[in-house]
Amino acid sequence: EIVLTQSPGTLSLSPTERATLSCRPSQSVAGNYLAWYQQKPGQAPRLLIRSASIRAPGIPDRFIGSGSGTDFTLTISRLEPEDFAVYYCQHYEQSKWTFGQGTKVELK
Amino acid sequence: EVQLVESGGRLVQPGGSLRLSCEASGFTFSDYSIHWVRQTPAKGLEWLSFLLGNYETLYYADSVRGRFIMSRDNAKRSASLQMNRLRVEDTAVYYCVRGWLDNTFDLWGQGTLVTVSS
Repeated sequence: EIVLTQSPGTLSLSPTERATLSCRPSQSVAGNYLAWYQQKPGQAPRLLIRSASIRAPGIPDRFIGSGSGTDFTLTISRLEPEDFAVYYCQHYEQSKWTFGQGTKVELK
Repeated sequence: EVQLVESGGRLVQPGGSLRLSCEASGFTFSDYSIHWVRQTPAKGLEWLSFLLGNYETLYYADSVRGRFIMSRDNAKRSASLQMNRLRVEDTAVYYCVRGWLDNTFDLWGQGTLVTVSS
């Protein structure tokens, strides 16, 4: 079973700064089955990025997914006030879906 | 409006049973797979079960296989999760989630809280 390790655990930044979040699968991910979700307090997660780099409908272009194999990155190019949240990566393989433990992007 | 709405969460004693329901609206329910995902502060997000729109494929996580039973009724646009032999560690917010073809979760319900405690 692939384990997804996200880092850092917490990122303290200010609005307009760039956020760089990492997700590292314990084994190489086939087919770029890697997605990113955003969760705000009291809300359900929301799909941001699918297939490593494809933004979901309605997601602003400041959210950029990249990577392959065992190294994936979510970049928020310029933080807006509404972007402070927890971000999760997610993978599917062999009838199992797994999530990373999350990275919290907090206001500095 | 395109949405999923869960219900049924409550306080239940260890060893007890509970049935969660999920009502869908705003989309062709039978065209989509449905998952159940739960979330706790300690373990984060945990996928539990998956059922294809045509009923043909059903998967469970190891942690709930043999205790939880997922079903759906396309005519009623609903899904359910029958949870048996509940444990304290099953305490969580349970989400009903729509699955997309690329194995992502593209629509989430608001969640329902299940608390297992004596």
